[in-house]
Amino acid sequence: GAGVSQSPSNKVTEKGKDVELRCDPISGHTALYWYRQRLGQGLEFLIYFQGNSAPDKSGLPSDRFSAERTGESVSTLTIQRTQQEDSAVYLCASSLIKSGTRKKGETQYFGPGTRLLVL
Amino acid sequence: QKEVEQNSGPLSVPEGAIASLNCTYSDRVSQSFFWYRQYSGKSPELIMSIYSNGDKEDGRFTAQLNKASQYVSLLIRDSQPSDSATYLCAVRTPGTYKYIFGTGTRLKVLA
Repeated sequence: GAGVSQSPSNKVTEKGKDVELRCDPISGHTALYWYRQRLGQGLEFLIYFQGNSAPDKSGLPSDRFSAERTGESVSTLTIQRTQQEDSAVYLCASSLIKSGTRKKGETQYFGPGTRLLVL
Repeated sequence: QKEVEQNSGPLSVPEGAIASLNCTYSDRVSQSFFWYRQYSGKSPELIMSIYSNGDKEDGRFTAQLNKASQYVSLLIRDSQPSDSATYLCAVRTPGTYKYIFGTGTRLKVLA
């Protein structure tokens, strides 16, 4: 089947506008992750979902950031009132995590990312 | 202290040499460790995972874990120019499925 897909691939927006980023995980993957990667930097954890619940939202930078997931499917990351420092690549990943599994189930498969530029 | 630390590099090695990439982590009870490779402009992809102390080999790649010293390393034997990429170390937070990534080490293999 297809890998993780993200849309849009590129987004240019004006400061203060809201943006919505979408992630379609691999079918059957229960865990879904959002990361932010600024130019030349590592991956910054934002949030992860197990099913449609989010056990850890600690990485969301501010209350302008929110995310939701429908069942074990699509997730959207919303950034309200965008700021220039929000400019980055937003990466989504999914993995097959089930209670009691490890090793193979922990492999994260990344989407191609959404490149966000806030002017 | 950062939770997962890596030297940003670049680490330059000649073709055919062994490249050694290191990563240290702060949470002593961490159990799950991963190496991802990221080519410029692309998304990360998993190279290896390691859970037990010692070495784990997969082709030209060897991951080494030392929990007492809280470091994990990746050795690439017979380095090729195609290995030139950024290598990211990731550690799973114990009791969760949250992963903390290091900032990555950029490797350049010189032909």
